[in-house]
Amino acid sequence: AQSVSQHNHHVILSEAASLELGCNYSYGGTVNLFWYVQYPGQHLQLLLKYFSGDPLVKGIKGFEAEFIKSKFSFNLRKPSVQWSDTAEYFCAVSDMDTGRRALTFGSGTRLQVQP
Amino acid sequence: ETGVTQTPRHLVMGMTNKKSLKCEQHLGHNAMYWYKQSAKKPLELMFVYNLKEQTENNSVPSRFSPECPNSSHLFLHLHTLQPEDSALYLCASSQGLASGALTDTQYFGPGTRLTVL
Repeated sequence: AQSVSQHNHHVILSEAASLELGCNYSYGGTVNLFWYVQYPGQHLQLLLKYFSGDPLVKGIKGFEAEFIKSKFSFNLRKPSVQWSDTAEYFCAVSDMDTGRRALTFGSGTRLQVQP
Repeated sequence: ETGVTQTPRHLVMGMTNKKSLKCEQHLGHNAMYWYKQSAKKPLELMFVYNLKEQTENNSVPSRFSPECPNSSHLFLHLHTLQPEDSALYLCASSQGLASGALTDTQYFGPGTRLTVL
């Protein structure tokens, strides 16, 4: 079965620092990859997704992620974080080979940006 | 309203109560999902419905009973729950995988915060 690992559980950064959150998945077939964000008191929102083509994906609010198939990774990056980026970030994967629609989520990374 | 809505937003119930959670999607999607979000655990899939038919049950205890009367509505009926069932219950919807589709993105509702006493 698919599993997703997010190694950073809690990250604290100062404003303007660069961000990279790790995400690794276990299944080696065709996958769709997602990053969702959950701001305090709000619902899960799609940040960006990869399904084919250019492995460098750009999302909303200046976020980007790079799919590296050989490493089973889909790390999230932002060159300069803002206080408003304080949130919990979830990596998720769906297995396209099986046609299984459901997402397998990582445990999440709580990002705290200090002004 | 647009998107995915869930009611109630908060629910407190005793172990002998019967209650229902409601989800409605206004996106014209074919697939709907229930997830459970517990503290310090990854989001766990509970059920998947596509065109009103249940296509996945992730070994969920029978005290949780889903119902999907149409593609826009999804319910989760609760009875004789346990305190460990306290969690945030999230509903999501997606277009559903059509023949040849490369991707299927899920959109989430705000969740129902359930507390079982």
